[in-house]
Amino acid sequence: DIVLTQSPATLSLSPGEGATLSCRASQSVSRYLAWYQQKPGQAPRLLIYDGSNRAAGIPARFSGSGSGTDFTLTITSLEPEDFAVYFCQQRTNWPFTFGPGTKLDIK
Amino acid sequence: QVQLQESGPGLVKPSETLSLTCTVSGGPFSTYYWTWIRQPPGKGLEYIGYIYSSGSTNYNPSLKSRLTMSVDTSKKQFSLKLSSVTAADTAIYYCARAGGLQLLSAGGPFDYWGQGTLVTVSS
Repeated sequence: DIVLTQSPATLSLSPGEGATLSCRASQSVSRYLAWYQQKPGQAPRLLIYDGSNRAAGIPARFSGSGSGTDFTLTITSLEPEDFAVYFCQQRTNWPFTFGPGTKLDIK
Repeated sequence: QVQLQESGPGLVKPSETLSLTCTVSGGPFSTYYWTWIRQPPGKGLEYIGYIYSSGSTNYNPSLKSRLTMSVDTSKKQFSLKLSSVTAADTAIYYCARAGGLQLLSAGGPFDYWGQGTLVTVSS
């Protein structure tokens, strides 16, 4: 199975600051990596797919980059509603796998 | 707007079979991969498997021996059965859709999700 490692596990920032979240794959997933946001008590929400494509309705402050084994989710100028857990997920190899998540919390 | 809704018992006894159904509304059912994902309380996401609208399936090898999925296209429903459950199967179970965004991929991305249903395995 492809193992996805996310760092940091927790990121403490203030509203208005920028956030950089990392996802590393144990082997190449090409560009087929997605990012999801999950708030307490809610289902995950798709943010980014295939590395850098924003899903419908996702604000432009969210962007994704990377290919192969190293990917980054960048959030510019954090809004209060952005504090949540973020998961990456690969669709290259079966079984499809998720990373353990990065918790973005308010400093 | 596409909506998914899970239904089923919230409590299952050890060694019994967990059964859940997901009902799809507000959008087409055909040509999508209907997916189950679970999340133990306070933990990460685990991909369980999918059933295509035609009925073909693919299960995570870690659960394959205990899993059965089925689909009822007339009702726009798909179902999950997980046998011989233990406390380790306690989780929030989500149904989700893959194959959208014109990508036609079983692996996602998962663009629509149900709200999730907590299933507790306990005697």
